[in-house]
Amino acid sequence: AQTVTQSQPEMSVQEAETVTLSCTYDTSENNYYLFWYKQPPSRQMILVIRQEAYKQQNATENRFSVNFQKAAKSFSLKISDSQLGDTAMYFCAYRDSNYQLIWGAGTKLIIKP
Amino acid sequence: DTAVSQTPKYLVTQMGNDKSIKCEQNLGHDTMYWYKQDSKKFLKIMFSYNNKELIINETVPNRFSPKSPDKAHLNLHINSLELGDSAVYFCASSQVSGPYNEQFFGPGTRLTVL
Repeated sequence: AQTVTQSQPEMSVQEAETVTLSCTYDTSENNYYLFWYKQPPSRQMILVIRQEAYKQQNATENRFSVNFQKAAKSFSLKISDSQLGDTAMYFCAYRDSNYQLIWGAGTKLIIKP
Repeated sequence: DTAVSQTPKYLVTQMGNDKSIKCEQNLGHDTMYWYKQDSKKFLKIMFSYNNKELIINETVPNRFSPKSPDKAHLNLHINSLELGDSAVYFCASSQVSGPYNEQFFGPGTRLTVL
């Protein structure tokens, strides 16, 4: 069975700094999809970024980018020029062959002014 | 326009009661989901449903049942509520046949069982 591990329960950085959130996963599949979701205090789940496993190029969305290392089964999220509004829980997720998401436990990110 | 909506956003009820949470999506998606998020923020899939198949997480008690009147709606009915059912429940939808199948979430329903 697939598993997703986020080893950092909580992180905090100063505004404008760069922060990297780690995510590793375990799977025997060759093609799959990975996602990062953000859950701010409003509790709304928001898709941040996505990556297809067969694409070697790392996905980027404005200040958000991933470092996808397929062989290492690693999918870290980098947030550049962090802003106060980035304060949230961040969840890494793997889409399995049943189209269901396997979730990590989340990382609480606090951006300090 | 709200893509995935849930009602109510807050629900406080007594143990033993039966309650329902409604979910509607206007994205034209073919698959809908229910998740439970506990106090430690851990997300657990409860059900996924499209017009062909209902996939049930085997750990979900049979007091929980999804009901889908049509493709745009997937309601969650809970019988004989227990204290441990207190959590935030999220509805989500996706297009399974789409390229990414990313899921879009509703705002969540905070259920408190007293």
